[in-house]
Amino acid sequence: DGGITQSPKYLFRKEGQNVTLSCEQNLNHDAMYWYRQDPGQGLRLIYYSQIVNDFQKGDIAEGYSVSREKKESFPLTVTSAQKNPTAFYLCASSIRGRSSYEQYFGPGTRLTVT
Amino acid sequence: AQKITQTQPGMFVQEKEAVTLDCTYDTSDPSYGLFWYKQPSSGEMIFLIYQGSYDQQNATEGRYSLNFQKARKSANLVISASQLGDSAMYFCAMREGTGYGGSQGNLIFGKGTKLSVKP
Repeated sequence: DGGITQSPKYLFRKEGQNVTLSCEQNLNHDAMYWYRQDPGQGLRLIYYSQIVNDFQKGDIAEGYSVSREKKESFPLTVTSAQKNPTAFYLCASSIRGRSSYEQYFGPGTRLTVT
Repeated sequence: AQKITQTQPGMFVQEKEAVTLDCTYDTSDPSYGLFWYKQPSSGEMIFLIYQGSYDQQNATEGRYSLNFQKARKSANLVISASQLGDSAMYFCAMREGTGYGGSQGNLIFGKGTKLSVKP
């Protein structure tokens, strides 16, 4: 079955620690995205990548970093510089090249930093 | 200014009745796409329906239809014959621009509407 995997589903960290969220897809999609969702809010774009070895900042990139060394993988690191990291993080992928193509989402990782 | 506005934080509907979730958008780009996603309590985002700005007819997908009024910049989602499993958050989103590769815009989401279906 094709899809997007995010692990773990729940993640707990102490303040001041970096943490990396995993995102893997086997849909053969070129484009991948990371979103953050806070309670009662819509999704906000953190980073996106249209192709391997290239990525762009989204609306709220400060305190986050990404890499795209493989087509299938787009890990997100939440650094200690992110002032309010507790949130629900969603990874998505899509076919590159047509604006009508929807994004497919993973199940999400709920990060709690105390 | 908000690009996607969903004015209904919460909605209730009786099972088997139809419900309309409102969405208005703001763009000066003549070419754009509008999406609706469903987010159950589990958290994953499920794509429901798409409408392109140049599409002549309203999009339909099973029990979902999109009431697209371009001049009013509204793209309301209509769910017919509501079911208990329809209880979820619903998000409207827009992508500006067409064109190949990086020229297309990214998805911009509204804040969502929480739909509760009553038995």
